[in-house]
Amino acid sequence: GDSVTQMEGPVTLSEEAFLTINCTYTATGYPSLFWYVQYPGEGLQLLLKATKADDKGSNKGFEATYRKETTSFHLEKGSVQVSDSAVYFCALRTTGYSTLTFGKGTMLLVSP
Amino acid sequence: KAGVTQTPRYLIKTRGQQVTLSCSPISGHRSVSWYQQTPGQGLQFLFEYFSETQRNKGNFPGRFSGRQFSNSRSEMNVSTLELGDSALYLCASSIDRPYEQYFGPGTRLTVT
Repeated sequence: GDSVTQMEGPVTLSEEAFLTINCTYTATGYPSLFWYVQYPGEGLQLLLKATKADDKGSNKGFEATYRKETTSFHLEKGSVQVSDSAVYFCALRTTGYSTLTFGKGTMLLVSP
Repeated sequence: KAGVTQTPRYLIKTRGQQVTLSCSPISGHRSVSWYQQTPGQGLQFLFEYFSETQRNKGNFPGRFSGRQFSNSRSEMNVSTLELGDSALYLCASSIDRPYEQYFGPGTRLTVT
């Protein structure tokens, strides 16, 4: 079945450091890929998405590129802020379905 | 537009009891999905409803059930609660496939 693997956290960074959170997936067909963010005590917010190979999703300084050859969708940000501290989830959605398959989540902690 | 709302936000129940959680989707959204989030298993899909019909179901026991009303509001019910049912239950709505899902803040269920 479909699955998503994320790097385990927590990832601890200083403000303005470069961020990479790795995500790889296994799926049949051509899934859409997503990054969601969850702040403490809240639900999930869609951060960015990509629907086909080589697409780059971007939002709020975060970027991720859909790499079909390596089945990856790594999240990057050039300069993190304290306010980026949250849990980040990589997810996929198989074509024709609504169901999201999530990774385990990666906690990001940014210190001033 | 108002976002997805879930009630109640917090709930404490005793083992063996049953519980009903409610979700009101974004206006105009006809698809509602439910997910369970636990520290051990992460985010797992429960079921999806569209136009009052269950369209997809995850791998959960029959104690977990749901329904959707004509106004697209949805409820999920868990009968004979077990300690392991303690979790954050998230509801997500979308217009339909393949549009994005928008998540509510969740209902935190604690079973004692």
